[in-house]
Amino acid sequence: GENVEQHPSTLSVQEGDSAVIKCTYSDSASNYFPWYKQELGKRPQLIIDIRSNVGEKKDQRIAVTLNKTAKHFSLHITETQPEDSAVYFCAASRDFGNEKLTFGTGTRLTIIP
Amino acid sequence: ETGVTQSPTHLIKTRGQQVTLRCSSQSGHNTVSWYQQALGQGPQFIFQYYREEENGRGNFPPRFSGLQFPNYSSELNVNALELDDSALYLCASSLGQGSVFAGELFFGEGSRLTVL
Repeated sequence: GENVEQHPSTLSVQEGDSAVIKCTYSDSASNYFPWYKQELGKRPQLIIDIRSNVGEKKDQRIAVTLNKTAKHFSLHITETQPEDSAVYFCAASRDFGNEKLTFGTGTRLTIIP
Repeated sequence: ETGVTQSPTHLIKTRGQQVTLRCSSQSGHNTVSWYQQALGQGPQFIFQYYREEENGRGNFPPRFSGLQFPNYSSELNVNALELDDSALYLCASSLGQGSVFAGELFFGEGSRLTVL
């Protein structure tokens, strides 16, 4: 089955700086890669996703890059703000919108004011 | 539009007992997936229901079972509870379109189960 590894497990950045979280996956058939944000005691919420036919996708301060050859994808957050503090999870699955996601272990991001 | 709701929010059971967790899917959604999230870990896929039929299962033993009802709400049942079953159980709904699933996965707030 699919295995998703995520690094780092914790990340602290100064407000206004950029944050990068990296994930690798094992199943070459995976072609859908969403990122979820989970605030303390809250539900995971989709923040951005990418399909394998695209190398990069951007939504305001958030971007995701995908390298299918190396089987890794990354989340980039620019101009970080205190409200970006949360746990971020990457995930992978074989089909877009397929809910059988394999999640990474999460990155706790702390934005230092 | 109502979101995904789960009940109960918290519960405590003892080893060997049985538990039923409930989920109401978001309005218009016909697919429900269940995930187990242990403390400090990412969610792990348990199983998925599409139009009342199980549509895929993760690496969980048979004592984890589920149901989906005609109104697309769902139940997760766990028999013979073990200490390691302590976790946050997340339900997520989405709109599946035949064999090609599409649409964002919407999670509920979860049911936190503690097994003593």
